[in-house]
Amino acid sequence: DGGITQSPKYLFRKEGQNVTLSCEQNLNHDAMYWYRQDPGQGLRLIYYSQIVNDFQKGDIAEGYSVSREKKESFPLTVTSAQKNPTAFYLCASSIDVRSTDTQYFGPGTRLTVL
Amino acid sequence: KNQVEQSPQSLIILEGKNCTLQCNYTVSPFSNLRWYKQDTGRGPVSLTIMTFSENTKSNGRYTATLDADTKQSSLHITASQLSDSASYICVVSARGGYQKVTFGTGTKLQVIP
Repeated sequence: DGGITQSPKYLFRKEGQNVTLSCEQNLNHDAMYWYRQDPGQGLRLIYYSQIVNDFQKGDIAEGYSVSREKKESFPLTVTSAQKNPTAFYLCASSIDVRSTDTQYFGPGTRLTVL
Repeated sequence: KNQVEQSPQSLIILEGKNCTLQCNYTVSPFSNLRWYKQDTGRGPVSLTIMTFSENTKSNGRYTATLDADTKQSSLHITASQLSDSASYICVVSARGGYQKVTFGTGTKLQVIP
């Protein structure tokens, strides 16, 4: 069963804590992305990676960090520096970063700061 | 600044009826336009993609149109079903790589019996 998985589905964080969201894909895609979705706003790009061991900041990278040690995995860490982390986080992948490539999205992780 | 605007923000229709969602964009240079369906609490799923030379694309009961001259697109849903209840997101890409993808805020559609 091919696709993108994200875990956990729900995550609660206390203020001042770092948390890591998992994203795994078995589609053999080179490119992976992290987005943040807030009510009434379009998806906003946090980070993307074109290839293993390489990643680029998106529009709202402050307070977040990523790694890409394996092609299949692109975890996102939400650090304590992120002032308003409560949101729905979506991971996606595509064959490449070309604008014509379809992005396939995971089911999302809802992060709530207590 | 590249922008994608969708209307209406939300829509309620009776099961079996048709509806049309609108998308206006100011993305340049234009590469392609996609419509995604996002169920509540889930990730978006691609419905259609259209490039500059295409003015219509169908996927079952979903038909997307594109007018590249006026920079407008519409998504028409025929004979709506309860399972069509979702948010529909218009996404426009500019030529030149990933960083030039712009997402609309979506239209939330509710189909009621």
